[in-house]
Amino acid sequence: EAGVAQSPRYKIIEKRQSVAFWCNPISGHATLYWYQQILGQGPKLLIQFQNNGVVDDSQLPKDRFSAERLKGVDSTLKIQPAKLEDSAVYLCASSFPEGGRYEQYFGPGTRLTVT
Amino acid sequence: LAKTTQPISMDSYEGQEVNITCSHNNIATNDYITWYQQFPSQGPRFIIQGYKTKVTNEVASLFIPADRKSSTLSLPRVSLSDTAVYYCLVVPWAGNNRKLIWGLGTSLAVNP
Repeated sequence: EAGVAQSPRYKIIEKRQSVAFWCNPISGHATLYWYQQILGQGPKLLIQFQNNGVVDDSQLPKDRFSAERLKGVDSTLKIQPAKLEDSAVYLCASSFPEGGRYEQYFGPGTRLTVT
Repeated sequence: LAKTTQPISMDSYEGQEVNITCSHNNIATNDYITWYQQFPSQGPRFIIQGYKTKVTNEVASLFIPADRKSSTLSLPRVSLSDTAVYYCLVVPWAGNNRKLIWGLGTSLAVNP
């Protein structure tokens, strides 16, 4: 079974530039999560999708971050404009059948460095 | 919010049993307790999940007392490859809109 795919694996940008991350969850997983993990800390949930709909985006900085999940499969997370404090690893995860009770499968993450 | 507290770090030696305890005083009736393992430069990986008493799989055991205010992850006979960060997570049941809160985790160092 293929795992959660993410790209790119690494990205270096200057502050005020924009960046986009892509995630392809495990086939059939209805729930998709984007996390931000700063070095030395646990993952912080940015947004959770259930199929096409947003379940929780309360911790997403909506003035600069946006995310979408087209057709309930792939998802894209965008940052515009980036700030120095956005330097982190961005993790995508998916789960089945739904909700937080069940196992989340994580991708390898995208390491973002903002200079 | 279902916040958890666990030791920041632990040290052990190969072949020993390691027990990591997590405190979750405000766990709700329908919350589950889940543990994840994370290696450097990788996403977290599910280890074990339980509701009460004891759960065992091929990797670990999870002990949960009757009041469910704490839980203990037990790793039998650790090896160097078990060096990782271990996260305790209280997971709300589907349909509950409480947030998933990840703490700092416990950094386990297994020494030869």
